[in-house]
Amino acid sequence: QVQLRESGPGLVKPSETLSLTCSVSGGSINDYYWTWIRQPPGKGLDFIGHVHSTGTTYNPSLQSRVSISMDTSKRQFSLKLTSVTAGDTAVYFCARVIEGHITLFGSLIPRATWIDTWGQGTLVIVSS
Amino acid sequence: DVQMTQSPASLSASVGDRVTISCQASQDITNFLSWYHQKPGKAPKLLIYGASTLATGVPSRFSGSGSKTDFTLTISSLRPEDLGTYYCQQYDHLSLTFGGGTRVEV
Repeated sequence: QVQLRESGPGLVKPSETLSLTCSVSGGSINDYYWTWIRQPPGKGLDFIGHVHSTGTTYNPSLQSRVSISMDTSKRQFSLKLTSVTAGDTAVYFCARVIEGHITLFGSLIPRATWIDTWGQGTLVIVSS
Repeated sequence: DVQMTQSPASLSASVGDRVTISCQASQDITNFLSWYHQKPGKAPKLLIYGASTLATGVPSRFSGSGSKTDFTLTISSLRPEDLGTYYCQQYDHLSLTFGGGTRVEV
């Protein structure tokens, strides 16, 4: 059974870069999307972005500051968010997204669908 | 971006009550919608995908319905362990989006 675990600093200074890693144990790394979701204290869930063998997709509101990468040999994927402010304080979840498909011009195109497995989440506070 | 709007934002119900939560998409998302339940301090858990398909291990008191822009999550008989916040999520568009959540108090 697949398990996900986030790791990284719990405190980041304003204007610096937030870096988190998600380690994947059990299950296959291939044929899934791997995503980061965040939840500010007392608020709802926000999609940050996901990575797949075909590329990455980011939330348009964060696109200029975010980067997600995958290291399949280490079974890890990572998040980098630059120029952080207090507004980036949140619990950050890594998660696995099921790969679905659509048919386009006779070709099967992969697409992200629902999230079936979540990490426990890690709180990151942005403060000096 | 597809915006997802949930209602109500919160509700209080008694054990055994039938509970209904609505989720509206800003554009047609066919049936590309999932529902999650989050208990306080925990990660969300998948309940339903494809608008109406129950995820493995989810009790049959949960059901989902709807298509295009209007969707509903129903709990047929509320149990104490159902407290928490429920979120819908669309996956019709590349950038996944969540509803604002519905907090359920039992």
